[in-house]
Amino acid sequence: NAGVTQTPKFQVLKTGQSMTLQCAQDMNHEYMSWYRQDPGMGLRLIHYSVGAGITDQGEVPNGYNVSRSTTEDFPLRLLSAAPSQTSVYFCASSSGVRLLNTEAFFGQGTRLTVV
Amino acid sequence: KQEVTQIPAALSVPEGENLVLNCSFTDSAIYNLQWFRQDPGKGLTSLLLIQSSQREQTSGRLNASLDKSSGRSTLYIAASQPGDSATYLCAVSRANAGKSTFGDGTTLTVKP
Repeated sequence: NAGVTQTPKFQVLKTGQSMTLQCAQDMNHEYMSWYRQDPGMGLRLIHYSVGAGITDQGEVPNGYNVSRSTTEDFPLRLLSAAPSQTSVYFCASSSGVRLLNTEAFFGQGTRLTVV
Repeated sequence: KQEVTQIPAALSVPEGENLVLNCSFTDSAIYNLQWFRQDPGKGLTSLLLIQSSQREQTSGRLNASLDKSSGRSTLYIAASQPGDSATYLCAVSRANAGKSTFGDGTTLTVKP
């Protein structure tokens, strides 16, 4: 199994540009989520989904959109990039309706720099 | 609001030593707790999952314990190896919420 696949691994954006971070999992997991990891601030939840067609906001949702049209895919859209969105982004999934219900799987991360 | 604290932030030990990493949380109404490992530039890898009804879990040289009443979990690593060098994070989820809270992690260095 490939597990959780994130693309791209690295990205540089100019302020105001938009882009989509891709996340796909092949484990038929219902729960998928996006986190950002910043030095000194740990992992913070952006958005999450408990199944196709269902999404909800996390701690830091402003400036980000998500959709879940299939069980496998959970893209994260940056609407108008800002330097404050420079971070490492992780997609995570697990079975059930909570990340920690069962073993959680993380992607390798996308390192985003906004200049 | 649930807060998760991991102390110390960094730890350096010689190879072969047994060690304990600590995780404390403020709200004891947790659903379960999970320990993760993160290597530099990589994603998180799950090590051990402890359900709220359990007190400990073991996998190889790793043993994690959970004491909900005191709001603490420990990760015990036996006979540490240089390959154990990484950042170890704990995370908890509440019984009535879908969101999880992560600690900032303990960065472990095992010297040959």
